[in-house]
Amino acid sequence: NAGVTQTPKFQVLKTGQSMTLQCAQDMNHEYMSWYRQDPGMGLRLIHYSVGAGITDQGEVPNGYNVSRSTTEDFPLRLLSAAPSQTSVYFCASSYEGKNTEAFFGQGTRLTVV
Amino acid sequence: TQLLEQSPQFLSIQEGENLTVYCNSSSVFSSLQWYRQEPGEGPVLLVTVVTGGEVKKLKRLTFQFGDARKDSSLHITAAQPGDTGLYLCAACWYSSASKIIFGSGTRLSIRP
Repeated sequence: NAGVTQTPKFQVLKTGQSMTLQCAQDMNHEYMSWYRQDPGMGLRLIHYSVGAGITDQGEVPNGYNVSRSTTEDFPLRLLSAAPSQTSVYFCASSYEGKNTEAFFGQGTRLTVV
Repeated sequence: TQLLEQSPQFLSIQEGENLTVYCNSSSVFSSLQWYRQEPGEGPVLLVTVVTGGEVKKLKRLTFQFGDARKDSSLHITAAQPGDTGLYLCAACWYSSASKIIFGSGTRLSIRP
C-alpha cells in the first residue's frame, strides 16, 4: 500500500516556467489537498477537493491551479513560476467527513530562480 | 494571517524536563488535531480531540482540548531526544468538516 505519492521530490524552475506537481493516492480517499510549507509558517492550504470534479480554494490559492478528474489523482499546476513560490509542497488525502486523519506525501521541494 | 496561533515557535530543553505547547484561535472548531513532522517527511497524526474539555494521553504526551473548543495544549513529560521534531496543531471547522488548517508549528529540540 503506497499511500500518498508525490513526484518529483525536488525541482528547480526558472521564473516564468510552468510545471505540474503530481499527487496520487491509493486509499480511495474522497478528500485531497495541497499545502505549502515555508519556514516559520507551518502548512498553508492552497487548494482542496472533496471528490472527483470538485475543487475549491484554500488560504493561498493565487498562482496555482488544480483539477480532480479521478479519485486517485490531484495535480497542482504552476502556470508561471515566481521566486515567491519557492517552498516545500505537500499533498494530503483523507476520508471525507469530520475528524478524519490526513495522510501526507513526502513532499516536493521546489526552488524558483 | 494564521487562524491558529502556536506558541512557543521554538523550544530547546534538556532531556528529562517537562514542556507544554499551546494552540489558540478566536474560532470554534469541530475538532483539533496534533501532528508531528520529521525532517524530509510529511506530518503524521498523533491525536484528534473532539469534545470540549477532552484529555487524551499517548504515553508521555497529554493532549487537552479547551472547554470552549478554541484552544488546545500538548504537554510532554520527561522529554526524550526522540521527541525532537516539529509539532503542528490543525483544526477542522464545522462549515467544512474535511478542510484542515494548520498552525505555524513548534520546533522542539531535546538536548541529551
